[in-house]
Amino acid sequence: QKEVEQDPGPLSVPEGAIVSLNCTYSNSAFQYFMWYRQYSRKGPELLMYTYSSGNKEDGRFTAQVDKSSKYISLFIRDSQPSDSATYLCAGNTNAGKSTFGDGTTLTVKP
Amino acid sequence: GAGVSQSPRYKVAKRGQDVALRCDPISGHVSLFWYQQALGQGPEFLTYFQNEAQLDKSGLPSDRFFAERPEGSVSTLKIQRTQQEDSAVYLCASSSRGGSGELFFGSGTQLSVL
Repeated sequence: QKEVEQDPGPLSVPEGAIVSLNCTYSNSAFQYFMWYRQYSRKGPELLMYTYSSGNKEDGRFTAQVDKSSKYISLFIRDSQPSDSATYLCAGNTNAGKSTFGDGTTLTVKP
Repeated sequence: GAGVSQSPRYKVAKRGQDVALRCDPISGHVSLFWYQQALGQGPEFLTYFQNEAQLDKSGLPSDRFFAERPEGSVSTLKIQRTQQEDSAVYLCASSSRGGSGELFFGSGTQLSVL
């Protein structure tokens, strides 16, 4: 079993929809949690970076971390076709390496 | 530079050849990471440098894989006697935050071993 699990999708939504992406993890030592967006043939791009439990909002994006249930979420409001990509969640113990899920592929249709 | 730069962008190698992949991190970033990404999967950790010191190489799949960062800036990932299972995208990332996970990735080197 992987340390970070994501539903691979694919997920398809109409433009303007609210998107919910989720991950579960098993490593209790994770302190930092990240969401990355990856377009085809590109490297991952950091979207959200949070420490411990709680919410963080940045524009149309909101990240939530619930350490008690080991659950990580990313919400995208007013989704746009340009949001179509693979979304990767990751955890980090502050000891160097980050552990990634396998990603959820999102398509936003105009 | 403006971002993390990796070269070559694509590399085709015959089985048994040695390859060297280069990473130029963001200027001033002390931490540098190498990840391997297979098709349809998330990046898998290979190794981590802080300046020139290799602090963690636990993810390197075998002793055919070797990474260095001799002056604490540019890094090279070397794979000796390549095998078909080495075919993947090799991603380099740098960070100013040490080992806490805020990574800035390059576009990767896609390695195909025939």
